[in-house]
Amino acid sequence: GENVEQHPSTLSVQEGDSAVIKCTYSDSASNYFPWYKQELGKGPQLIIDIRSNVGEKKDQRIAVTLNKTAKHFSLHITETQPEDSAVYFCAASMDTGRRALTFGSGTRLQVQP
Amino acid sequence: DAGVIQSPRHEVTEMGQEVTLRCKPISGHDYLFWYRQTMMRGLELLIYFNNNVPIDDSGMPEDRFSAKMPNASFSTLKIQPSEPRDSAVYFCASSLGGGYGQTQYFGPGTRLLVL
Repeated sequence: GENVEQHPSTLSVQEGDSAVIKCTYSDSASNYFPWYKQELGKGPQLIIDIRSNVGEKKDQRIAVTLNKTAKHFSLHITETQPEDSAVYFCAASMDTGRRALTFGSGTRLQVQP
Repeated sequence: DAGVIQSPRHEVTEMGQEVTLRCKPISGHDYLFWYRQTMMRGLELLIYFNNNVPIDDSGMPEDRFSAKMPNASFSTLKIQPSEPRDSAVYFCASSLGGGYGQTQYFGPGTRLLVL
């Protein structure tokens, strides 16, 4: 089955700096890659996603890049703010067979004011 | 919409007791997922349903765990008997369509502590 690895497990940045979180996946059939943000005491919430026919997607300060050849994708947060502090999860799924998401292990991002 | 509703939010029980977690998905969603979150294992999919039918329960840890979805607006996850290693946060999520390309909306979770 699919295996998603995520790095780093923790990340501390200064407010205003950029943050990058990286994920790799094992199943070349995977073609949908969402990112979820989980704030303390809450369930994960989708913040951005990308499909395999797209190499990059941006939404304001957040961007995701995908390299299907290398089977890795990354989340980029620019101009970080204290409210970006949370745990971020990458995930992967495919449009055939087992369609459920496989999540990475999570990255705890701390933005220092 | 109120979002995905889970109850109880917190549960403390003793080893050997039966625990029942409840979930009400977002109205109109046809997929429902149960996840377990721990520090050691992260976010694990336990089971998911499509139109009230269990599709994949390969993540259910053992026979002590069971899940049902008697109708489109209600699901339960039962642990009997519970053990300390079952302590975790259990999330329910729902989506319109399966995992591919469809946003999963998570509930607030049930924090379970088995003593």
